[in-house]
Amino acid sequence: SAVISQKPSRDICQRGTSLTIQCQVDSQVTMMFWYRQQPGQSLTLIATANQGSEATYESGFVIDKFPISRPNLTFSTLTVSNMSPEDSSIYLCSVAYFYEQYFGPGTRLTVT
Amino acid sequence: AQTVTQSQPEMSVQEAETVTLSCTYDTSESNYYLFWYKQPPSRQMILVIRQEAYKQQNATENRFSVNFQKAAKSFSLKISDSQLGDTAMYFCAFGDSGAGSYQLTFGKGTKLSVIP
Repeated sequence: SAVISQKPSRDICQRGTSLTIQCQVDSQVTMMFWYRQQPGQSLTLIATANQGSEATYESGFVIDKFPISRPNLTFSTLTVSNMSPEDSSIYLCSVAYFYEQYFGPGTRLTVT
Repeated sequence: AQTVTQSQPEMSVQEAETVTLSCTYDTSESNYYLFWYKQPPSRQMILVIRQEAYKQQNATENRFSVNFQKAAKSFSLKISDSQLGDTAMYFCAFGDSGAGSYQLTFGKGTKLSVIP
C-alpha cells in the first residue's frame, strides 16, 4: 500500500477562479488517477496521469478545465479552472499497486 | 464498457449482527478484479477486500468476506459481527486487468448504518 496526502484538505473558492490540488505519495508509482465525487454520489474518473506522458482524460473532462501535471513518480497536481458552483465536489487522487488502488484523503471544494 | 450495480442505496444492521451488501456487474472480460471500498464520514476511501476473477475461492479479510459468483456476475460483501466503526458508504468496484489500464469502475454505493 501507500501513504497519500492531498493539499488542501478543503477550500472555498469564488466562481471564475482556479484551484490547484496537490497529491503526494510516499513511494514511486507509475499510475496515478484523479477522481471527482459530487455530493452524495459515487466516484467518477477524471483522468489517468502517468509520469512522462500527457494525462488521459475520460469522456466529459477536458484538459483546459482540468489540467494535470505529473512531474515525477511521487507527485501530481490537478487544477480546477474557471470554477463554477457545479464544480463543488470532493476531488480524490489515487495510485495503483498491482491492480489495487489506494486513495488520498480527498479535497473538499466549495465554489460560491 | 463495464457497469457495476449496487441495488441497495441504504441498509442498516444491529451491532454484532451480520449484513450482506449486494453488487452485480456486467462485463465481457474473462480476467478482472473486484473490490469493495469503504468510505466513512471522514471521506477516506479504504480498500476492504479484493477478489481475482480467476480464483474460485472467495476472499476473506477478518470479519469481511465475499460471495463471488462469476457466472451470475455477482459479488456480495458479508460483514460479520458488525461494529459501529463499520458505518460508512460501501462501494463495489470493477477493475479491468486488460492492457494494464488499472482503471476502476465504481457502483453508486450502499450507505450502511450500524445501530447500537
